[in-house]
Amino acid sequence: GENVEQHPSTLSVQEGDSAVIKCTYSDSASNYFPWYKQELGKGPQLIIDIRSNVGEKKDQRIAVTLNKTAKHFSLHITETQPEDSAVYFCAASKGYGGSQGNLIFGKGTKLSVKP
Amino acid sequence: DAGVTQSPTHLIKTRGQQVTLRCSPISGHKSVSWYQQVLGQGPQFIFQYYEKEERGRGNFPDRFSARQFPNYSSELNVNALLLGDSALYLCASSFRDRGARWTDTQYFGPGTRLTVL
Repeated sequence: GENVEQHPSTLSVQEGDSAVIKCTYSDSASNYFPWYKQELGKGPQLIIDIRSNVGEKKDQRIAVTLNKTAKHFSLHITETQPEDSAVYFCAASKGYGGSQGNLIFGKGTKLSVKP
Repeated sequence: DAGVTQSPTHLIKTRGQQVTLRCSPISGHKSVSWYQQVLGQGPQFIFQYYEKEERGRGNFPDRFSARQFPNYSSELNVNALLLGDSALYLCASSFRDRGARWTDTQYFGPGTRLTVL
């Protein structure tokens, strides 16, 4: 089955710096790659997602890149702020409209942004 | 608009007991998925339901069961609780367009924290 590896497990940056989190997946049939942010005591919040028909997607300070050949995707956060501190999860899925589309998650990256 | 809601927020049970967790999806969403998140790990898929039918099941024992109601809300039941069942149980809803080519975006609720003593 699908396996998603996520690195690093912890990341500490200074406010204003950039942060990059990387994930690799094993199943070449995976076609959907969301990123979630989870704050303490809360459920995961979708921050950005990308589908396999595009290589890059950007939303303000957040961007995701996808390399299907290498089977890896990355989250880029620019101009980090203390409120970006949280645990970030990548996930992969290969479902279609009529079949199961369960998400396989990485183990998470704890991002700390120091003021 | 209200997001995904789950109840209860916290729950404490003892080994061998049974528990029922509840989830209401975002209005208009027809699919509900359940995930288990053990402390320090990513969520792990348990079930997906669409139109009241099970559409997917993860690698969990038969002690775990679920159902979806006509209003698309869902319940997750766990029997014969074990210490290892202690976790945050997350519900996610998605629109689930039958004709869609892609996996639907899933939106998570706040979770139910289950502690088994």
